Amino acid sequence: EPEVTQTPSHQVTQMGQEVILRCVPISNHLYFYWYRQILGQKVEFLVSFYNNEISEKSEIFDDQFSVERPDGSNFTLKIRSTKLEDSAMYFCASQPRGGSGANVLTFGAGSRLTVL
Amino acid sequence: DAKTTQPPSMDCAEGRAANLPCNHSTISGNEYVYWYRQIHSQGPQYIIHGLKNNETNEMASLIITEDRKSSTLILPHATLRDTAVYYCIVSRDDKIIFGKGTRLHILP
Repeated sequence: EPEVTQTPSHQVTQMGQEVILRCVPISNHLYFYWYRQILGQKVEFLVSFYNNEISEKSEIFDDQFSVERPDGSNFTLKIRSTKLEDSAMYFCASQPRGGSGANVLTFGAGSRLTVL
Repeated sequence: DAKTTQPPSMDCAEGRAANLPCNHSTISGNEYVYWYRQIHSQGPQYIIHGLKNNETNEMASLIITEDRKSSTLILPHATLRDTAVYYCIVSRDDKIIFGKGTRLHILP
């Protein structure tokens, strides 16, 4: 069964460092998402991406965050200068199409980011 | 501004049917009901969705009331591996937003 692949599975970084989390969505999917989950809290929407541009972003997704689809397969989330509160599990998701009734997302296993 | 209301937790005996309720009294005509679950700290997993008809797949059944103000997710024969947080989400064609869900404990 096709799956969304995320790397790294766990990254430890120092506060202020840049971090790039990588995702390989399912190959024929067109819509891509990043979510995050702080330990013990709910899964929060960060950003959606379609046709090589951001379609929607949350209040969490400030200027420190950026997303990119540098080639035909990878979808990346960059955090420019990490803060302690960025420590969380980050989930990538993809879906095959848009439109009503189409929010069937496939999620990756997540990348755990620990900021020291 | 939660669109859905779910009990925070439920228990179900292994082998029995797990019935998870969800209220969505403000649902609009073109919004779908989606169910996802999250097992421990894994990525959320899609289960099923529907508009107004009852739906069934290999994982579960979804029963939506005629007025569409509530629904029930049914896991017909719950196993220990079904222990997870279950999310009922109402959405049209925009993003999926997760609430707190129902923590389902399957008891041996």
